[in-house]
Amino acid sequence: DGGITQSPKYLFRKEGQNVTLSCEQNLNHDAMYWYRQDPGQGLRLIYYSQIVNDFQKGDIAEGYSVSREKKESFPLTVTSAQKNPTAFYLCASMWTGVTGELFFGEGSRLTVL
Amino acid sequence: SQKIEQNSEALNIQEGKTATLTCNYTNYSPAYLQWYRQDPGRGPVFLLLIRENEKEKRKERLKVTFDTTLKQSLFHITASQPADSATYLCALALGGANNLFFGTGTRLTVIP
Repeated sequence: DGGITQSPKYLFRKEGQNVTLSCEQNLNHDAMYWYRQDPGQGLRLIYYSQIVNDFQKGDIAEGYSVSREKKESFPLTVTSAQKNPTAFYLCASMWTGVTGELFFGEGSRLTVL
Repeated sequence: SQKIEQNSEALNIQEGKTATLTCNYTNYSPAYLQWYRQDPGRGPVFLLLIRENEKEKRKERLKVTFDTTLKQSLFHITASQPADSATYLCALALGGANNLFFGTGTRLTVIP
């Protein structure tokens, strides 16, 4: 079945460590996105990529980095510069067609100890 | 600044009744509006999209209205069931999905 796979589902990190969250899709979508979700707040856009080897900052990109070397993959690195990294991270993709419907992965919950 | 409000953080409703969720926005002229369902610990799932020139959209027991004058969308679930219990998110698009702004969500509980 086609879809988006995020891993790991749960991740614990010590302060000062970088961590990379994986996102893979087999939907043949051009565009991919990373969102962060915190209690009581809407999803906030971290980074997005509309084509391989190109990506743009979203509203809260500070302390994060991404790469898009393959169409299927869009990993997110949470760096030690991110001041409050504990959150639920969601990857999404979209076919740049008519509807603008986002397909989301199951999310990765990062906890900084 | 841009703002999206969903009427309440939580809504409880009796099974079989119609649930109505509200999404209000300010300072936007959205190209379209979307509704998603999110279960605890899961990613959101797309439900419906309605464009600025559409007044109403239906899909099975779901109905969405869009009033650009009132800057409001209403999301209705008719004949609600306990399986409809989830958090529902509205999202406004100002163009492409890189300009998609999400509300905080309304947690719906359908009581048997």
